[in-house]
Amino acid sequence: DADVTQTPRNRITKTGKRIMLECSQTKGHDRMYWYRQDPGLGLRLIYYSFDVKDINKGEISDGYSVSRQAQAKFSLSLESAIPNQTALYFCATSDRQIPGHEQFFGPGTRLTVL
Amino acid sequence: GNSVTQMEGPVTLSEEAFLTINCTYTATGYPSLFWYVQYPGEGLQLLLKATKADDKGSNKGFEATYRKETTSFHLEKGSVQVSDSAVYFCALSDRQAGTALIFGKGTTLSVSS
Repeated sequence: DADVTQTPRNRITKTGKRIMLECSQTKGHDRMYWYRQDPGLGLRLIYYSFDVKDINKGEISDGYSVSRQAQAKFSLSLESAIPNQTALYFCATSDRQIPGHEQFFGPGTRLTVL
Repeated sequence: GNSVTQMEGPVTLSEEAFLTINCTYTATGYPSLFWYVQYPGEGLQLLLKATKADDKGSNKGFEATYRKETTSFHLEKGSVQVSDSAVYFCALSDRQAGTALIFGKGTTLSVSS
């Protein structure tokens, strides 16, 4: 089945470490997004990309960077992790041809920064 | 800027009770509106959507109508089941941010038998 996958699913790291979260999709969608979920805050947008050459900051991009290696791959990096980046991270995809631009979410990566 | 406000939970109901979760939004233009559901330990799944005013989205017994005049998109279900226990998120599609979604804070629903 066409899908959105995220690796790793869980990660525990220490303050100051560099971390990369990866997202892959087999849906053939052109748009990809990274969100973080915190209890009581819903999901907030970190970065989004319309294609390999088009990357944009979201609401809370500070402390994060991204790379769109191919249409199907979108990675999120924390250059120097800090404890308040402990959260559940979701990748999502969409496509310009989808009415209303519905998004499809991966299963999430639970990141803990000690 | 655009925003979504939904009722705070948790909402606790008995099986077969009627469910309403309120959602209102602020947006320029005409966004698309969505309800997503997150079951325990899982990612988000689209529950239903509406892309223009007066559209009604429906799925699995849930319904929501896009009301432009009241800027609302309330979620309803006539008879909830234990399996409906989850976190429900109202969201809008923000054309100013590349059609990224703006989410409400989520409402936790717990249904007991």
